[in-house]
Amino acid sequence: GQQVMQIPQYQHVQEGEDFTTYCNSSTTLSNIQWYKQRPGGHPVFLIQLVKSGEVKKQKRLTFQFGEAKKNSSLHITATQTTDVGTYFCAGRDWGGNTPLVFGKGTRLSVIA
Amino acid sequence: EAGVTQFPSHSVIEKGQTVTLRCDPISGHDNLYWYRRVMGKEIKFLLHFVKESKQDESGMPNNRFLAERTGGTYSTLKVQPAELEDSGVYFCASSPRTGLNTEAFFGQGTRLTVV
Repeated sequence: GQQVMQIPQYQHVQEGEDFTTYCNSSTTLSNIQWYKQRPGGHPVFLIQLVKSGEVKKQKRLTFQFGEAKKNSSLHITATQTTDVGTYFCAGRDWGGNTPLVFGKGTRLSVIA
Repeated sequence: EAGVTQFPSHSVIEKGQTVTLRCDPISGHDNLYWYRRVMGKEIKFLLHFVKESKQDESGMPNNRFLAERTGGTYSTLKVQPAELEDSGVYFCASSPRTGLNTEAFFGQGTRLTVV
C-alpha cells in the first residue's frame, strides 16, 4: 500500500535558524497536506498542495510539491519558539475518496 | 462553530477490559475518520465513514476493534478486549465533503493507556 516517508524525525535548531522537513511518497499523490501538532495538542491543518511543482508561502513557511507529485517539503525561515511542534505531511493517493496517509512527522525543537 | 470533540480525553484500563471512545464531528460533516498514533510513529489510518456507512476500514488492526456511526452523526470506537499494544492516542477527524481536496479537522484525541 501507499507509504509516506518523512525526514528528519527530530530537528533541534537555535532560534533564528532555518528548518526544513521532507516528505516522500511511494506512489504519485493527488495532493499533499501539511499539519502541525503542538505538544499535547492535535494536528491542525496548515496547507494543501495540488499542482505539480506548486509552491505556496505562509509568512515564514514555504511549502513545495515536487514535479512528479511524489515529494514535498516544508521550509521555515528564521524559526521562532512558537514554531515548536511536530509537522506532519499527509498524502492522498489517486483513485477516488482515499484516506490521507500520514508521515511519521518531524518534531521541531527551537532553542531560544 | 464547535470543532471535533472526543471523549474521554484520557483512559487507563487494564489488559482484557473494554473501552469505548466517542467522537462528535463538526455538524454537517459527512466524512468521519479514525486515526491512531502510537508513540513515536505515524498517525495511522483506521477507518472512514461517509455518513453512517463504512467507506474504508482497511486500517482496522483486528476484530477487537469495532467502530459504529449510527445515524451518521457521532461515532464510537470500541476496543474489546484491550491489549497492551492498543495504547496510543486515538484521533477522530471530520471533513465536510467527499473528494480529493478536502482538509481534515481533528479532535483533541483520546489517550488510551492499557496496563
